[in-house]
Amino acid sequence: SQKIEQNSEALNIQEGKTATLTCNYTNYSPAYLQWYRQDPGRGPVFLLLIRENEKEKRKERLKVTFDTTLKQSLFHITASQPADSATYLCALNTGKLIFGQGTTLQVKP
Amino acid sequence: DVKVTQSSRYLVKRTGEKVFLECVQDMDHENMFWYRQDPGLGLRLIYFSYDVKMKEKGDIPEGYSVSREKKERFSLILESASTNQTSMYLCASSPGLRTDTQYFGPGTRLTVL
Repeated sequence: SQKIEQNSEALNIQEGKTATLTCNYTNYSPAYLQWYRQDPGRGPVFLLLIRENEKEKRKERLKVTFDTTLKQSLFHITASQPADSATYLCALNTGKLIFGQGTTLQVKP
Repeated sequence: DVKVTQSSRYLVKRTGEKVFLECVQDMDHENMFWYRQDPGLGLRLIYFSYDVKMKEKGDIPEGYSVSREKKERFSLILESASTNQTSMYLCASSPGLRTDTQYFGPGTRLTVL
């Protein structure tokens, strides 16, 4: 079955640095992949979608890459701020949308 | 902006009670979803509806039922609540395809005593 792996350990970085989160998957070739942000006690909020024929997508300080050979997506936040602290989920379409467990990012001032 | 609302942010019920969780979306989306989210287990799909009165089981439908009488409203029903149904329940909607971007409600934290 389809498996999605996101680093379960929290990522702690200093304000101003670039945060990089990883999403690995197996057994499928999704047509696109999505990234969501979730704050504690709230529902996830859509951030970015990247298609299989796109190597990279940007939105303000966010950048997503999609490597279908490695079966991996990387999510970067440049010039990180404490307000970026949240859990970030990746989601693949496999006939339905499947979510990873998320990685918690903590940006320290 | 898409808005998905859920009837309660916090709910406390007793074992054996019948529980209704309501979800309303205002963007005329075709698809609506119910998930539960537990630490270490991520988001798990309970039920999915792709049209009025149409539903499909998700990954963990046992102990739950759903109702979609109107396009904008999707209800999750716990027929007889149990303590292992204590969780965060999230409703979502999406237009068109079931794999489109999903818009989530704020969630309902349900505690079953």
